[in-house]
Amino acid sequence: NAGVMQNPRHLVRRRGQEARLRCSPMKGHSHVYWYRQLPEEGLKFMVYLQKENIIDESGMPKERFSAEFPKEGPSILRIQQVVRGDSAAYFCASSPESGRGYEQYFGPGTRLTVT
Amino acid sequence: AQSVTQLDSQVPVFEEAPVELRCNYSSSVSVYLFWYVQYPNQGLQLLLKYLSGSTLVKGINGFEAEFNKSQTSFHLRKPSVHISDTAEYFCAVSEGAGGSYIPTFGRGTSLIVHP
Repeated sequence: NAGVMQNPRHLVRRRGQEARLRCSPMKGHSHVYWYRQLPEEGLKFMVYLQKENIIDESGMPKERFSAEFPKEGPSILRIQQVVRGDSAAYFCASSPESGRGYEQYFGPGTRLTVT
Repeated sequence: AQSVTQLDSQVPVFEEAPVELRCNYSSSVSVYLFWYVQYPNQGLQLLLKYLSGSTLVKGINGFEAEFNKSQTSFHLRKPSVHISDTAEYFCAVSEGAGGSYIPTFGRGTSLIVHP
């Protein structure tokens, strides 16, 4: 049973470009979470999605960031017009049910570097 | 809203010595508690979790944690550490009915095992 897959593992973008991060949850999981991890900090929740629905985006910056989880295909986290402060590791996690009491299964992360 | 405090950002210890990584939480409702481990350049993986029942929880790799409701703590312990235990450890909490199902993570504790 394949785990959570994220690609690319490393992404370099120049300031002003767009970054698209992909996440394929574990088979059978319909709940996806995106987190950002900055150096020396813990994981910060960004958004929680189910298929075709954004359930909770309280951790998403108001501008430039968006996320989707279409009926078919992976979940996408999109960052438009990247700035140096967007440089971080972005982790996707999935669970079979809502987060209440269920552990999350994490992908290996995408490390975004903005030059 | 819940919060998690990991009291030590870094814990150095010699191989085969015991270790305790501290975690305190705050919440106004019942909680579910988790410890995750992150090895360099990898995603998080679950060590153990507390949902209900016995307050002493055993996990993988010889780790265990004890839920103490009166002290709102969930400290992680291992009686004898190995070099391979060197990693970042994260405590997380999600809430039961009436609270937030989105897990909140602590800032992490870096366990450094010296030979």
